[in-house]
Amino acid sequence: SYVLTQPPSVSVAPGQAARITCGGYDIGSKSVHWYQQQPGQAPVLVVYDDSDRPSGIPERFSGSNSVNTATLTISRVEAGDEADYYCQVWDVGSDHPGVFGTGTKVTVL
Amino acid sequence: QVQLQESGPGLVKPSETLSLTCAVSGYSITSGYYWGWIRQPPGKGLEWIASIYHSGTTYYNPSLKSRVTISVDTSKNQFSLKLSSVTAADTAVYSCARTHAGTYYFDYWGQGTLVTVSS
Repeated sequence: SYVLTQPPSVSVAPGQAARITCGGYDIGSKSVHWYQQQPGQAPVLVVYDDSDRPSGIPERFSGSNSVNTATLTISRVEAGDEADYYCQVWDVGSDHPGVFGTGTKVTVL
Repeated sequence: QVQLQESGPGLVKPSETLSLTCAVSGYSITSGYYWGWIRQPPGKGLEWIASIYHSGTTYYNPSLKSRVTISVDTSKNQFSLKLSSVTAADTAVYSCARTHAGTYYFDYWGQGTLVTVSS
Protein backbone atom coordinates (compact mmCIF):
# COMPACT_ATOMS: atom_id res chain seq x y z
CA SER A 1 0.00 0.00 0.00
CA TYR A 2 0.96 3.61 -0.50
CA VAL A 3 3.16 5.14 2.21
CA LEU A 4 3.26 8.77 3.28
CA THR A 5 6.22 9.78 5.43
CA GLN A 6 6.28 12.85 7.66
CA PRO A 7 8.92 14.07 10.12
CA PRO A 8 7.85 13.19 13.67
CA SER A 9 8.38 16.71 14.93
CA VAL A 10 9.00 20.28 13.83
CA SER A 11 9.91 23.11 16.18
CA VAL A 12 9.45 26.74 15.30
CA ALA A 13 9.66 30.11 17.04
CA PRO A 14 6.60 32.35 17.12
CA GLY A 15 6.39 34.55 14.05
CA GLN A 16 8.55 32.25 11.96
CA ALA A 17 7.41 29.80 9.29
CA ALA A 18 6.91 26.09 9.88
CA ARG A 19 7.27 23.69 6.98
CA ILE A 20 5.93 20.16 7.27
CA THR A 21 6.81 17.70 4.56
CA CYS A 22 4.91 14.66 3.35
CA GLY A 23 6.89 12.26 1.22
CA GLY A 24 5.46 9.67 -1.11
CA TYR A 25 6.30 8.11 -4.44
CA ASP A 26 5.03 10.34 -7.23
CA ILE A 27 2.88 12.23 -4.73
CA GLY A 28 2.94 15.15 -7.14
CA SER A 29 0.43 13.26 -9.27
CA LYS A 30 -2.04 12.98 -6.39
CA SER A 31 -4.23 15.45 -4.52
CA VAL A 32 -2.86 16.01 -1.02
CA HIS A 33 -4.92 17.14 1.95
CA TRP A 34 -3.75 18.36 5.36
CA TYR A 35 -5.37 18.18 8.79
CA GLN A 36 -4.61 19.88 12.09
CA GLN A 37 -5.41 17.99 15.27
CA GLN A 38 -5.34 19.71 18.63
CA PRO A 39 -5.03 17.48 21.72
CA GLY A 40 -8.26 15.68 22.47
CA GLN A 41 -10.04 17.08 19.45
CA ALA A 42 -11.11 15.84 16.05
CA PRO A 43 -8.89 16.65 13.06
CA VAL A 44 -9.68 19.82 11.14
CA LEU A 45 -9.08 20.13 7.40
CA VAL A 46 -6.70 23.04 6.79
CA VAL A 47 -5.66 22.47 3.17
CA TYR A 48 -7.24 20.35 0.45
CA ASP A 49 -6.33 19.57 -3.13
CA ASP A 50 -2.67 20.47 -2.52
CA SER A 51 -3.17 24.18 -1.88
CA ASP A 52 -6.80 25.17 -1.35
CA ARG A 53 -8.05 26.37 2.02
CA PRO A 54 -11.50 25.69 3.45
CA SER A 55 -13.45 28.73 4.52
CA GLY A 56 -12.37 29.94 7.93
CA ILE A 57 -8.79 28.70 7.65
CA PRO A 58 -6.27 31.56 7.86
CA GLU A 59 -4.20 32.46 4.81
CA ARG A 60 -1.14 31.63 6.92
CA PHE A 61 -1.77 28.00 6.00
CA SER A 62 -0.60 27.10 2.52
CA GLY A 63 0.31 23.98 0.65
CA SER A 64 2.37 22.83 -2.30
CA ASN A 65 3.00 19.54 -4.00
CA SER A 66 5.67 18.45 -6.44
CA VAL A 67 7.25 15.18 -7.57
CA ASN A 68 7.80 13.17 -4.38
CA THR A 69 7.10 15.74 -1.64
CA ALA A 70 4.12 17.76 -0.53
CA THR A 71 4.59 20.60 1.93
CA LEU A 72 2.34 22.39 4.38
CA THR A 73 3.66 25.81 5.32
CA ILE A 74 2.39 27.73 8.32
CA SER A 75 3.51 31.34 8.06
CA ARG A 76 3.86 33.64 11.07
CA VAL A 77 3.36 30.78 13.49
CA GLU A 78 1.27 31.43 16.59
CA ALA A 79 1.07 29.53 19.86
CA GLY A 80 -2.34 28.20 18.83
CA ASP A 81 -0.79 26.43 15.84
CA GLU A 82 0.88 23.93 18.16
CA ALA A 83 -0.77 20.65 17.18
CA ASP A 84 -0.35 17.42 15.25
CA TYR A 85 -0.58 17.66 11.47
CA TYR A 86 -1.41 14.84 9.06
CA CYS A 87 -1.25 14.65 5.30
CA GLN A 88 -3.67 12.41 3.41
CA VAL A 89 -4.21 11.17 -0.12
CA TRP A 90 -6.69 8.94 -1.88
CA ASP A 91 -4.73 6.43 -3.92
CA VAL A 92 -7.17 5.98 -6.78
CA GLY A 93 -7.31 2.47 -8.15
CA SER A 94 -5.47 0.99 -5.20
CA ASP A 95 -6.93 -1.66 -2.94
CA HIS A 96 -5.98 0.63 -0.07
CA PRO A 97 -7.10 4.04 -1.28
CA GLY A 98 -7.38 6.00 1.96
CA VAL A 99 -3.93 6.83 3.30
CA PHE A 100 -2.80 9.16 6.09
CA GLY A 101 0.71 10.29 6.73
CA THR A 102 2.56 9.35 9.89
CA GLY A 103 1.88 12.71 11.50
CA THR A 104 4.04 15.63 12.61
CA LYS A 105 3.98 17.31 16.00
CA VAL A 106 4.52 21.05 15.63
CA THR A 107 5.96 22.68 18.72
CA VAL A 108 5.97 26.45 19.10
CA LEU A 109 9.05 27.42 21.09
CA GLN B 1 -24.23 23.40 9.35
CA VAL B 2 -23.13 19.83 8.75
CA GLN B 3 -22.79 17.83 11.94
CA LEU B 4 -21.82 14.23 12.55
CA GLN B 5 -22.27 12.36 15.83
CA GLU B 6 -20.95 8.92 16.64
CA SER B 7 -22.74 6.60 19.02
CA GLY B 8 -22.17 3.11 20.33
CA PRO B 9 -20.73 1.17 23.24
CA GLY B 10 -17.55 2.48 24.77
CA LEU B 11 -16.48 -0.96 25.95
CA VAL B 12 -16.42 -4.15 23.88
CA LYS B 13 -15.18 -7.57 24.95
CA PRO B 14 -12.44 -9.34 23.01
CA SER B 15 -13.73 -11.51 20.14
CA GLU B 16 -17.03 -9.61 20.04
CA THR B 17 -18.27 -7.15 17.41
CA LEU B 18 -17.83 -3.40 17.69
CA SER B 19 -20.85 -1.51 16.33
CA LEU B 20 -20.96 2.24 15.81
CA THR B 21 -23.42 4.59 14.16
CA CYS B 22 -22.84 8.06 12.77
CA ALA B 23 -25.87 10.33 12.68
CA VAL B 24 -25.65 13.11 10.11
CA SER B 25 -27.55 16.38 10.48
CA GLY B 26 -27.63 19.49 8.35
CA TYR B 27 -26.95 17.56 5.16
CA SER B 28 -28.60 14.72 3.28
CA ILE B 29 -26.51 11.59 3.17
CA THR B 30 -27.74 11.02 -0.41
CA SER B 31 -26.45 14.35 -1.71
CA GLY B 32 -23.23 13.37 -3.38
CA TYR B 33 -20.55 12.75 -0.78
CA TYR B 34 -18.92 9.63 0.55
CA TRP B 35 -19.07 8.85 4.25
CA GLY B 36 -16.20 7.29 6.13
CA TRP B 37 -14.73 5.96 9.34
CA ILE B 38 -11.28 6.72 10.67
CA ARG B 39 -9.71 5.52 13.91
CA GLN B 40 -6.83 6.61 16.12
CA PRO B 41 -5.32 4.33 18.76
CA PRO B 42 -4.25 6.17 21.91
CA GLY B 43 -1.07 8.13 21.25
CA LYS B 44 -0.88 7.03 17.62
CA GLY B 45 -1.77 8.33 14.18
CA LEU B 46 -4.88 8.29 12.04
CA GLU B 47 -5.96 5.14 10.22
CA TRP B 48 -8.63 5.11 7.53
CA ILE B 49 -11.05 2.21 7.96
CA ALA B 50 -13.72 2.37 5.26
CA SER B 51 -15.87 4.67 3.13
CA ILE B 52 -19.30 4.33 1.54
CA TYR B 53 -21.46 6.16 -0.99
CA HIS B 54 -25.21 6.25 -0.52
CA SER B 55 -25.63 4.01 -3.58
CA GLY B 56 -23.68 1.31 -1.78
CA THR B 57 -20.24 1.68 -3.32
CA THR B 58 -17.70 0.84 -0.64
CA TYR B 59 -13.99 1.03 -0.06
CA TYR B 60 -12.22 -0.85 2.73
CA ASN B 61 -8.78 -0.80 4.30
CA PRO B 62 -7.46 -4.19 3.21
CA SER B 63 -5.85 -4.80 6.59
CA LEU B 64 -9.31 -4.69 8.17
CA LYS B 65 -11.52 -5.73 5.27
CA SER B 66 -12.18 -9.26 6.46
CA ARG B 67 -13.62 -7.93 9.72
CA VAL B 68 -15.31 -4.67 8.68
CA THR B 69 -18.73 -3.83 7.31
CA ILE B 70 -19.82 -0.29 6.52
CA SER B 71 -23.44 0.43 5.67
CA VAL B 72 -25.75 3.37 5.13
CA ASP B 73 -29.35 3.95 6.23
CA THR B 74 -30.73 6.73 4.05
CA SER B 75 -34.09 6.74 5.84
CA LYS B 76 -32.36 7.71 9.08
CA ASN B 77 -29.63 9.80 7.44
CA GLN B 78 -26.93 7.79 9.16
CA PHE B 79 -24.24 5.25 8.43
CA SER B 80 -22.69 2.50 10.50
CA LEU B 81 -19.55 0.50 11.14
CA LYS B 82 -19.21 -3.05 12.35
CA LEU B 83 -15.83 -4.53 13.26
CA SER B 84 -15.86 -8.18 14.24
CA SER B 85 -13.51 -10.32 16.30
CA VAL B 86 -12.01 -7.34 18.07
CA THR B 87 -8.83 -7.46 20.11
CA ALA B 88 -7.06 -4.96 22.33
CA ALA B 89 -5.34 -3.64 19.20
CA ASP B 90 -8.71 -2.28 18.07
CA THR B 91 -8.90 0.05 21.06
CA ALA B 92 -9.06 3.52 19.55
CA VAL B 93 -11.02 6.70 19.09
CA TYR B 94 -13.36 6.04 16.18
CA SER B 95 -14.47 9.03 14.12
CA CYS B 96 -16.89 9.39 11.27
CA ALA B 97 -16.37 11.96 8.53
CA ARG B 98 -17.89 13.33 5.37
CA THR B 99 -15.72 12.59 2.37
CA HIS B 100 -15.53 14.73 -0.76
CA ALA B 101 -16.47 12.55 -3.71
CA GLY B 102 -13.89 14.02 -6.10
CA THR B 103 -10.56 13.97 -4.32
CA TYR B 104 -11.72 12.25 -1.14
CA TYR B 105 -10.77 14.65 1.61
CA PHE B 106 -12.56 14.55 4.94
CA ASP B 107 -14.17 17.95 5.42
CA TYR B 108 -16.51 17.40 8.35
CA TRP B 109 -15.74 15.13 11.28
CA GLY B 110 -17.60 13.84 14.27
CA GLN B 111 -16.05 14.46 17.68
CA GLY B 112 -14.96 10.82 17.90
CA THR B 113 -15.79 8.12 20.40
CA LEU B 114 -13.35 6.04 22.41
CA VAL B 115 -13.92 2.32 22.14
CA THR B 116 -11.98 0.15 24.54
CA VAL B 117 -11.63 -3.57 23.97
CA SER B 118 -11.30 -5.31 27.29
CA SER B 119 -12.84 -8.14 29.22
